[in-house]
Amino acid sequence: SQQGEEDPQALSIQEGENATMNCSYKTSINNLQWYRQNSGRGLVHLILIRSNEREKHSGRLRVTLDTSKKSSSLLITASRAADTASYFCATGDTGRRALTFGSGTRLQVQP
Amino acid sequence: DVKVTQSSRYLVKRTGEKVFLECVQDMDHENMFWYRQDPGLGLRLIYFSYDVKMKEKGDIPEGYSVSREKKERFSLILESASTNQTSMYLCASRPPASGANVLTFGAGSRLTVL
Repeated sequence: SQQGEEDPQALSIQEGENATMNCSYKTSINNLQWYRQNSGRGLVHLILIRSNEREKHSGRLRVTLDTSKKSSSLLITASRAADTASYFCATGDTGRRALTFGSGTRLQVQP
Repeated sequence: DVKVTQSSRYLVKRTGEKVFLECVQDMDHENMFWYRQDPGLGLRLIYFSYDVKMKEKGDIPEGYSVSREKKERFSLILESASTNQTSMYLCASRPPASGANVLTFGAGSRLTVL
C-alpha cells in the first residue's frame, strides 16, 4: 500500500535557493521520517518527527508535520549542488513494524 | 556505524532462473526488511523478519520467499525469476523496539531479468 505521496515529483532549483518538498499520507502515524537517496544507491535517514511534534530542525533541514491535514513538508535551505538526490517520506505506525514509503521527489540543484 | 551489505550490486539473470539476493548487517539488529523500488512507485515492502527464522509478508510477497537462518543475514529468493521482477532491491535493518523505527539501508541490488 502506498502511504505517502510526495509533491512535487521533480524539482529543479539554483544553488543557494530553498527547496520545499511535501508529503501527504493516509492513516494515523507515530512518526514521519525523511530519507535521501543518491542516484543508484541506498536510502539514508535524514530526520524524524514524532506525531506530537509540529516542527523539527537539523542543520539546513526543517521538517513540519500537520497531523490534522496528514501532511509534512521538508525544507532544505541554501541548497547546494551536493543536495541533488531523491527525497522520500516514510511513515511508521503502531500496527505495522515496517515503514511505508512514498514515491519520492527528485531534486536537482543547479550549480 | 551500522553497516548493511548487499553482496551483489548488479545482477543479470534469465527468466526462470532461481535468484538469491543476500543481505548482511553487522549491528545485531533483530529486524530486517526487503523492499523493491520502481520508478514512480517508491519503495514497496516485500518481506520482513523480526527474528531468526521469523518472517512476515509485506505488501508484495508474490513470487518471492526469504530466509533468515542467522541473525545477521536475510536472503531474498526469487524461485523462478520473471521479467516483471526487474527492479532495484533494497535491504534494510533496525534494532528492536527502538521507539523510532529508523532504518539503515544497504546500497541496493539492481536486478535485470531477461
